[in-house]
Amino acid sequence: KAGVTQTPRYLIKTRGQQVTLSCSPISGHRSVSWYQQTPGQGLQFLFEYFSETQRNKGNFPGRFSGRQFSNSRSEMNVSTLELGDSALYLCASSLGPRGDGNTIYFGEGSWLTVV
Amino acid sequence: QQQVKQSPQSLIVQKGGISIINCAYENTAFDYFPWYQQFPGKGPALLIAIRPDVSEKKEGRFTISFNKSAKQFSLHIMDSQPGDSATYFCAAGGYNKLIFGAGTRLAVHP
Repeated sequence: KAGVTQTPRYLIKTRGQQVTLSCSPISGHRSVSWYQQTPGQGLQFLFEYFSETQRNKGNFPGRFSGRQFSNSRSEMNVSTLELGDSALYLCASSLGPRGDGNTIYFGEGSWLTVV
Repeated sequence: QQQVKQSPQSLIVQKGGISIINCAYENTAFDYFPWYQQFPGKGPALLIAIRPDVSEKKEGRFTISFNKSAKQFSLHIMDSQPGDSATYFCAAGGYNKLIFGAGTRLAVHP
């Protein structure tokens, strides 16, 4: 069974540009969440989607957005990139409902560098 | 009420020793407490997780101890090996949102 797949793995963008990151969850998983990891702030929750609906949102500016498709694949977008957006962006998936479905598995992440 | 405090920040253990990492949470609504292991350049890998109705869970060399009244939980790594050298994160949450601790960098010396 394939794990959580994220693309691209590495990318470099210029300040002011926008970026889209992609995530394919584990087969059968309907919940996809996104996290930002930086040396200074650690792992921070961005948002979570289930059945194409955003269920939870972290404390990030509106420049950070996401969506989920009917096949559970997800994308996140960051507009008007700032130097501080340089980070490892992690996608995680789980079955979705409460209880044992809360087991959350992470992908390898997308390394974003903003110059 | 959303913080998860993790200690120590770094830990050095001799091969064969016991590694102990502690976490404390504030939000009593949290109902899922996983531990993740992360190697450089990799995403966090789920190690072991516990729910608040259980006080201890053991999987191989890894044990979680959970104290609901104190709002604390800890990871014990028995017979620590050099291959265990990594960063460990505790987390707490519910309904598919996790709040992470700051991480503990573990080095196991041969």
